[in-house]
Amino acid sequence: EVQLVESGGGLVQPGGSLSLSCAASGFTFSDHYLEWVRQAPGRGLEWVGRIRNKANSYTTEYAASVKGRFTISRDDSKSSLFLQMNNLRAEDTAVYYCTRAGFSYGFLDSWGQGALVTVSS
Amino acid sequence: DIQLTQSPSFLSASVGDRVTITCRASQGIGTFLAWYQQKVGKAPKPLIYAASTLQSGVSSRFSGSGSGTEFTLTISSLQPEDFATYYCQQLNSFPLTFGPGTTVDIK
Repeated sequence: EVQLVESGGGLVQPGGSLSLSCAASGFTFSDHYLEWVRQAPGRGLEWVGRIRNKANSYTTEYAASVKGRFTISRDDSKSSLFLQMNNLRAEDTAVYYCTRAGFSYGFLDSWGQGALVTVSS
Repeated sequence: DIQLTQSPSFLSASVGDRVTITCRASQGIGTFLAWYQQKVGKAPKPLIYAASTLQSGVSSRFSGSGSGTEFTLTISSLQPEDFATYYCQQLNSFPLTFGPGTTVDIK
């Protein structure tokens, strides 16, 4: 069974940093692209970014709203995905979901339960 | 960026009703479209990809169609567990974008 479990959420002040982790199991982690999606309280889903696999040089893509502030990385040896968030703003307050992109169309076929990040003074 | 709109934003329906949700893209995306279902307080659940391919384990009362700029998600006979918010997502080009969602509520 595919499992994605996020950790590291919490309260951080504006301008601060926070790192999220996602522990994966139940599939060959290194084969897949992985992505982060977020959802602000009471709002819709917003794609944050993608990291490709080793075969595609671990290249990344980001939403304009986080580019230059957020960094996605992965450790295939530990089946883990990371999201480093710097210079956080109030509008970054959201539940952050770790997701797996399937081999078909990059469809997000598995989701974690989410980690809440609150940016507030 | 490709913008997605969904209609309606909200609909009330009864158990057994046939429900159709439309997703429109601001430019052609072929069949690079997915649908997700989200219940309150839960992570989204993948339903359909490639516009019309049902994800494994998803009930056959869900179906998707369309290509280019107009897509539909149809629930053939609404069940109590289907009351939720539905999102479309385009996977054609970066940044990947989601529609604003359609909430299906009990009439």
